[in-house]
Amino acid sequence: RKEVEQDPGPFNVPEGATVAFNCTYSNSASQSFFWYRQDCRKEPKLLMSVYSSGNEDGRFTAQLNRASQYISLLIRDSKLSDSATYLCVVTHSSGTYKYIFGTGTRLKVLA
Amino acid sequence: DAGVTQSPTHLIKTRGQQVTLRCSPKSGHDTVSWYQQALGQGPQFIFQYYEEEERQRGNFPDRFSGHQFPNYSSELNVNALLLGDSALYLCASNFLSGGGKQYFGPGTRLTVT
Repeated sequence: RKEVEQDPGPFNVPEGATVAFNCTYSNSASQSFFWYRQDCRKEPKLLMSVYSSGNEDGRFTAQLNRASQYISLLIRDSKLSDSATYLCVVTHSSGTYKYIFGTGTRLKVLA
Repeated sequence: DAGVTQSPTHLIKTRGQQVTLRCSPKSGHDTVSWYQQALGQGPQFIFQYYEEEERQRGNFPDRFSGHQFPNYSSELNVNALLLGDSALYLCASNFLSGGGKQYFGPGTRLTVT
C-alpha cells in the first residue's frame, strides 16, 4: 500500500462545476500537508498548504482530517485553466521535510 | 528574484553511461532535494542536501549520488544508467528553518536508450 493515495482520475467536469479531490495518508506522524498543481510536462507548483482548521484561497478550499488521515481539496466555479494534475504532499516530522507525493489526480475542465 | 533553475532541460543517454544534472536553488534557500518522476506517477524522493551533506535518502540505489556546493547549488549523478532511469528529474529548494515549503525547478527530462 502506498503511503499517500489519490484517485488518479481523470475527473472531467464542465466549466463552473465544483469538484473535490481526496487524499489519504497512512503515517500518523505526518506533519505538514500541501496541494501542488502540475501542468503537463512542467514542474509541480505550490497551490496551498493545508491546515487543521481548514483554509481557503479564492475558489480553493483545503481541509485536513487528522483522525481519519485524509486531506481534501475543493475547487469551486471551475475554469478551463484549472485543468492540470493535482498532487497531494505529506511530510514527516523528521526535520528534513522530505516530501511524499501521491500519484496525482488529473482534472480536465470542459467548455 | 530567480527561482530554482536546472540544467540541462533534456538529455538522451545510452544504457551504461553516466549523467550529471545540475540545480541552483532559489535565492535565500539553503536546502536542495532531488526527486524522480516517472510518467504517470508522483515524484519520488531521491535525497536531500543541507550544509553540503546528504541529510536523508529515499529508496534509490547507490548508483544515484549527489553533491552540494558552498553556494548551495547541487548536482545529481547517476552511474550505469538503466532504461528504467528514464524520467523527469526535479530539484526543489527550501529554507530549512522556514517550514519546509519546497519550490521546484523546471526539471531535466532524461531519456535512456
